[in-house]
Amino acid sequence: AQSVAQPEDQVNVAEGNPLTVKCTYSVSGNPYLFWYVQYPNRGLQFLLKYITGDNLVKGSYGFEAEFNKSQTSFHLKKPSALVSDSALYFCAAVRGGATNKLIFGTGTLLAVQP
Amino acid sequence: DTEVTQTPKHLVMGMTNKKSLKCEQHMGHRAMYWYKQKAKKPPELMFVYSYEKLSINESVPSRFSPECPNSSLLNLHLHALQPEDSALYLCASSRGTSGGVGQETQYFGPGTRLLVL
Repeated sequence: AQSVAQPEDQVNVAEGNPLTVKCTYSVSGNPYLFWYVQYPNRGLQFLLKYITGDNLVKGSYGFEAEFNKSQTSFHLKKPSALVSDSALYFCAAVRGGATNKLIFGTGTLLAVQP
Repeated sequence: DTEVTQTPKHLVMGMTNKKSLKCEQHMGHRAMYWYKQKAKKPPELMFVYSYEKLSINESVPSRFSPECPNSSLLNLHLHALQPEDSALYLCASSRGTSGGVGQETQYFGPGTRLLVL
């Protein structure tokens, strides 16, 4: 079965420090990988996407993610966290080239302390 | 304009009521989605419309009835809901022009928070 795992329910980081939100996937074939962010009482907002090519993907608001095929990971990173980055982050994957639904991870709550 | 709008923002309904949720996008997208999301959980796909035709129904109970009157509009008709149907209902859209809608970037609306009493 295809799945996406986000091993940490919550990540705490001090403002100004680098942050990492982890994601691993189990998807057959070449995956399309996404990160979405959800602020309280809001819908999901697209951050970035990996299709193919450069393993380092740059996205919105200074976020980036690194695709690692051998480790089947797609961790989200930011060099310097802001309090306003505090939100719920979802990693998602889908098998490329097929009309399949997006598989979401369970979500990681990022809390950035001032 | 990358906005998906949803109305109403909040809805309270009894188990015998009939109500509808509305979603609209003007990005020229041809795929539209309904998701259900419980608190602090990932969204669960309910329905996908592609070119105004229902392409995916994730075995959703018949008390939820989707409708896509045109390429910009998506409705979700609700009837005889149960308290466990209380959730945030999210609409999303994507271009719908690639080989697989799942691989496209989806743009989400803010959601309708539904409470069933």
